[in-house]
Amino acid sequence: GAVVSQHPSWVICKSGTSVKIECRSLDFQATTMFWYRQFPKQSLMLMATSNEGSKATYEQGVEKDKFLINHASLTLSTLTVTSAHPEDSSFYICSASWGGAGNGYTFGSGTRLTVV
Amino acid sequence: AQTVTQSQPEMSVQEAETVTLSCTYDTSESDYYLFWYKQPPSRQMILVIRQEAYKQQNATENRFSVNFQKAAKSFSLKISDSQLGDAAMYFCAYRQMDSNYQLIWGAGTKLIIKP
Repeated sequence: GAVVSQHPSWVICKSGTSVKIECRSLDFQATTMFWYRQFPKQSLMLMATSNEGSKATYEQGVEKDKFLINHASLTLSTLTVTSAHPEDSSFYICSASWGGAGNGYTFGSGTRLTVV
Repeated sequence: AQTVTQSQPEMSVQEAETVTLSCTYDTSESDYYLFWYKQPPSRQMILVIRQEAYKQQNATENRFSVNFQKAAKSFSLKISDSQLGDAAMYFCAYRQMDSNYQLIWGAGTKLIIKP
């Protein structure tokens, strides 16, 4: 149980376009979804925390107008990278808490975004 | 603020041998959770083992065990009988008791398994 499905797994887009990444909790209700960015050979950097039905909370330094997060239902959260630029190229991962604090988090499989 | 430190950027071990990955953390909380996650080349994050701070007994999951020293704020991971499939980045993480609280991550340790 506790599976998060993340799509797409990889995407290439042109500079200036927008890309949407979806994360769905398949067998549980994800009231909170965390969005991370990971640079090569580095740890996960938290970008924002989204709660179902409310505005996301962004970490300091993350542009909320560039990285739009929507958590419209208990099973779906989306991250839209707007007007993408090459420096937005990265690996993006979502995760959700389930079953109480002790179970940790379950993670999506990640999305590799390349902006050309 | 809580912090997590992994002081070993890279470790290598011979297949079938035992290796220990270090993790220290800083917190003023008395109860919390600690985790080790594995990220293989596929980059899928996989939970290896978890420990609740109030539990004295060290957690064990098959070949993986931890040495949890609460007073020293140390949480090391021991991998016994290392296998080629254990090659991955290993991240130590801290979480407060609040179920929706974010994970605080260490920088990670790259584990190399020598055949």
